[in-house]
Amino acid sequence: GESVGLHLPTLSVQEGDNSIINCAYSNSASDYFIWYKQESGKGPQFIIDIRSNMDKRQGQRVTVLLNKTVKHLSLQIAATQPGDSAVYFCAENAADKLIFGTGTRLQVFP
Amino acid sequence: KAGVTQTPRYLIKTRGQQVTLSCSPISGHRSVSWYQQTPGQGLQFLFEYFSETQRNKGNFPGRFSGRQFSNSRSEMNVSTLELGDSALYLCASSLGIGASGNTIYFGEGSWLTVV
Repeated sequence: GESVGLHLPTLSVQEGDNSIINCAYSNSASDYFIWYKQESGKGPQFIIDIRSNMDKRQGQRVTVLLNKTVKHLSLQIAATQPGDSAVYFCAENAADKLIFGTGTRLQVFP
Repeated sequence: KAGVTQTPRYLIKTRGQQVTLSCSPISGHRSVSWYQQTPGQGLQFLFEYFSETQRNKGNFPGRFSGRQFSNSRSEMNVSTLELGDSALYLCASSLGIGASGNTIYFGEGSWLTVV
């Protein structure tokens, strides 16, 4: 399928390992953050979100950490699987619209 | 429940032409927003519609426009196409307006190539 963002930072992990994808956001007033997964040829898929009054939120195999002091967001994926291979975007709510990061490509190898 | 549906999925247009893209939101969702995705600029917000009114707008020229119908379906139009308009155009829908605490779901996108 088609691909957007051909020259993204890439994280390569072995199947079964944990993955950590990092994101720096720009607006200290942002109050809501989301992680999206985008597979080749598809639209972004919602993974998990977090409000600014929290510093951690867990989902199924995923955890999002928010550090407002340094404006940093991370996505942790436990026991990474081949199906997790995709581009991951963080997004922040700024002025009531989503501002997306540049994305990180996650490659999972056996 | 059907997701966000966009048509057409792929299209090729010539410089100077205009294009209309269509989006059907998830049933019950009243907000529709549009994004442009390119390798160079990433994902950028175009505009958001809620109850047939544009509620928010990104930093794009006036050649980019949209509208929303009473059934929440939306269209976006790009006039006088330029080569740089080649992109994946993504439609997203949500229950409420804005992006704060409002889960936004994306469609598969419309791939536009301008030649």
